[in-house]
This record gives sequence, C-alpha cells and structure tokens, in this order.
Amino acid sequence: GEKVEQHESTLSVREGDSAVINCTYTDTASSYFPWYKQEAGKSLHFVIDIRSNVDRKQSQRLTVLLDKKAKRFSLHITATQPEDSAIYFCAASGGRGSALGRLHFGAGTQLIVIP
Amino acid sequence: EAAVTQSPRSKVAVTGGKVTLSCHQTNNHDYMYWYRQDTGHGLRLIHYSYVADSTEKGDIPDGYKASRPSQENFSLILELASLSQTAVYFCASSVGSQNTLYFGAGTRLSVL
Repeated sequence: GEKVEQHESTLSVREGDSAVINCTYTDTASSYFPWYKQEAGKSLHFVIDIRSNVDRKQSQRLTVLLDKKAKRFSLHITATQPEDSAIYFCAASGGRGSALGRLHFGAGTQLIVIP
Repeated sequence: EAAVTQSPRSKVAVTGGKVTLSCHQTNNHDYMYWYRQDTGHGLRLIHYSYVADSTEKGDIPDGYKASRPSQENFSLILELASLSQTAVYFCASSVGSQNTLYFGAGTRLSVL
C-alpha cells in the first residue's frame, strides 16, 4: 500500500525566513496531495492541496510543489510568522488499489518559528 | 464552517471494557472517517463510511468496529479495550472522496 514519509521531524526557522517541508510517496498512481496543520493541543485543519494534473499551486504565503517523477511533494512557507508554528502533515490518496477517500498521512513535521 | 462534534472529549477505560466514541456532523457530508493519532505515526485510518448503514475497513481495523446509523452519525466501538488502544482519536467528514477533510476536536482515550 501507499507509504508517505516526511523527512524532517522538526524544522526551526527564524521569523521572516522561508520554511520547506518535504514528503515522498510510493504509489505512482496517487493523485491527490493535501496538507494539514495541527496547532498545539488542537485538531487538524486543511491548509492547501495539489492534484496530479498540476505541478505547482500557490495560496498567499503557501506554495505546494509536486514532482511526480521523483514521487515527491513539498510545502513552502514564505515570510514565516510565529502563528505558523505547528505540526504539518502531508498526505496522499487515490493510488492503485486505494479505495476512494483513503488518505495516507506522513508522521508530521514540527515547524518552530523563532521570533 | 463545517462542524464535526466528537464525544466524549476524553475517556479513561479499563482493559477489557467496552468503549464507544461518537461523532456527529452537520455538514451533510457523505464521507466520514475515524483516525487514530500516535506520536511519531501521524494519523492512521481505522474505519470509514461513504453512506449510512455501511462501513469500510481502513488500514488498522483490528480491535475496532464502526457504525453509521445515519448520514450525520458515525461511532467507533472498542468491544474489548486494550492498552495498545490508548491514543487520540479523530473523526472527520468530507464531501465525496479526495476532498477536504473536516476534523472534530479529537477524543483522548486512555486505557488502563
């Protein structure tokens, strides 16, 4: 089955700098790649997603890049702010043999923005 | 804003006891999911449902049952709770597949 890996368990950046969180996946048939954010002690909420028909998507300070050949996708956050501090989860779905709606999550990356 | 409500918010259970976690959504979403979160493992899918009165196994269904009596309600049942089921459980809903998940606040379950 699909396996999603997040390479950085923790990432520290200075306020105002950029942060990049990287994920890889194993199933070449995966077609949907969302990102979720979990602030300390809270639930998860949707941040941004990308589908396999494009290789880049931007929303304000967030950009997602998708490299289907390398089976890699990444979340780029520019001009980081203290409120960006959270755990970020990447996920993938739609792969071969994957039932509709089954998301496979990475283990999460703790982003710390240092004021 | 989508609304997914979980109850209870926290629960202490004894080993071998029965535990029922409840989830209610007011979004008119067809898909509902139960995930568990363990430190270092991200979220893992236990059961999900895309229509009332039907449930599907996720990636880690052993030791869990699910029930979807209506579009709005989705329960997770631990018939014989075990220590290994200590975790935070999240319910979520979505419109169709491959769309945004709306998560509940989570239930912290401790099995002693």
